[in-house]
Amino acid sequence: EVQLVQSGAEVKKPGESLKISCKGSGYSFTSYWIGWVRQMPGKGLEWMGIIYPGDSDTRYSPSFQGQVTISADKSISTAYLQWSSLEASDTAMYYCARQSATTSWFDPWGQGTLVTVSS
Amino acid sequence: DIQMTQSPSSLSASVGDRVTITCRASQSISSYLHWYQQKPGKAPKLLIYAASSLQSGVPSRFSGSGSGTDFTLTISGLQPEDFATYSCQQSYSLPYTFGQGTKLEIK
Repeated sequence: EVQLVQSGAEVKKPGESLKISCKGSGYSFTSYWIGWVRQMPGKGLEWMGIIYPGDSDTRYSPSFQGQVTISADKSISTAYLQWSSLEASDTAMYYCARQSATTSWFDPWGQGTLVTVSS
Repeated sequence: DIQMTQSPSSLSASVGDRVTITCRASQSISSYLHWYQQKPGKAPKLLIYAASSLQSGVPSRFSGSGSGTDFTLTISGLQPEDFATYSCQQSYSLPYTFGQGTKLEIK
């Protein structure tokens, strides 16, 4: 079974750094893109960026470029989303999802990681 | 970025109804349009890909159509488990933007 399992909820203070993870299993991790999607409280889905773990090719939405860093460690089939300095506006649910190298939809999705940033 | 606009933002319907949700792209995206269902507290789930192809395991009461800039998701014979939020996504060009979502509520 193809699965993406994300790390647990985080509570952080403004200015702190954070790295959340997404571990893939049941498929060849290096042959599919992994994407990250933000969902702020009560809001819609926002496409943040994608990474191809096979060669670490990474694409960002202009809205998130420079605000976050997407990376992957193919040796442990895990993708990451990280912040160097969190802001209250980063409070949201973050989902990872798999995207085929030849198709372009997200399936399946991870269960989500809730990030809360509050002083 | 390509802007995706869904209508309506919310709608109320009854079990057994037929409902249609529309997604409009700010430029032509061919058939690079996908639909997701999201229930409260859960991750989104792929329903329809490439505008009209039903994802494996998704009930046949769900259907999608359209190409270019205008797309529709139709649910024929609403079931209680279909009350959720539905979002479209384009994958014609990066960034692969989503619509704002349509919340389907029980009347």
